[in-house]
Amino acid sequence: KNEVEQSPQNLTAQEGEFITINCSYSVGISALHWLQQHPGGGIVSLFMLSSGKKKHGRLIATINIQEKHSSLHITASHPRDSAVYICAVHHYGGSQGNLIFGKGTKLSVKP
Amino acid sequence: NAGVTQTPKFQVLKTGQSMTLQCAQDMNHEYMSWYRQDPGMGLRLIHYSVGAGITDQGEVPNGYNVSRSTTEDFPLRLLSAAPSQTSVYFCASSYGGIYEQFFGPGTRLTVL
Repeated sequence: KNEVEQSPQNLTAQEGEFITINCSYSVGISALHWLQQHPGGGIVSLFMLSSGKKKHGRLIATINIQEKHSSLHITASHPRDSAVYICAVHHYGGSQGNLIFGKGTKLSVKP
Repeated sequence: NAGVTQTPKFQVLKTGQSMTLQCAQDMNHEYMSWYRQDPGMGLRLIHYSVGAGITDQGEVPNGYNVSRSTTEDFPLRLLSAAPSQTSVYFCASSYGGIYEQFFGPGTRLTVL
């Protein structure tokens, strides 16, 4: 069983829709990261969370430590949001620099 | 700041050839890592370093070597390339797992 599970694997939305991507993990963590990867592109950090909620523009990330679950929300989605969204956790007690990654959620936003 | 740079962007090798993927960062980060990304697999850790002179193996280290002689540079060496090493390789750096992660642009490697 993967230690970090994302759902859905693929998601297609219409422009303007509210989108939610979920991440569940099975290990104790110090931090959870949400990353974005555009087609053929590099990987960019969106959020780092250890508790609560963070917001940046139309993106909102939440985490529930007790339930070992995080969500990434996109409000008023736009075609430029089309990308793969990756959840990664820093395992509590693991080597300081290393993350465990989910397999990603591929989002396609249609105009 | 250039951030994390990787060279080359693309590379084609024949089975048995060796090569070095270069990674450099100018943010004075202690932690640097190499990952490979394969379809349906997510990112997997190859090797990592917690500072100059200190390296360790990750999840998939076989067939790869690393060294860290300076804080800035963390090259990845393929000793004898195999088709199973066809992948996209990402280098990353950070102050640690609870800090923002910075990724290089990736190197797309094909081994024939």
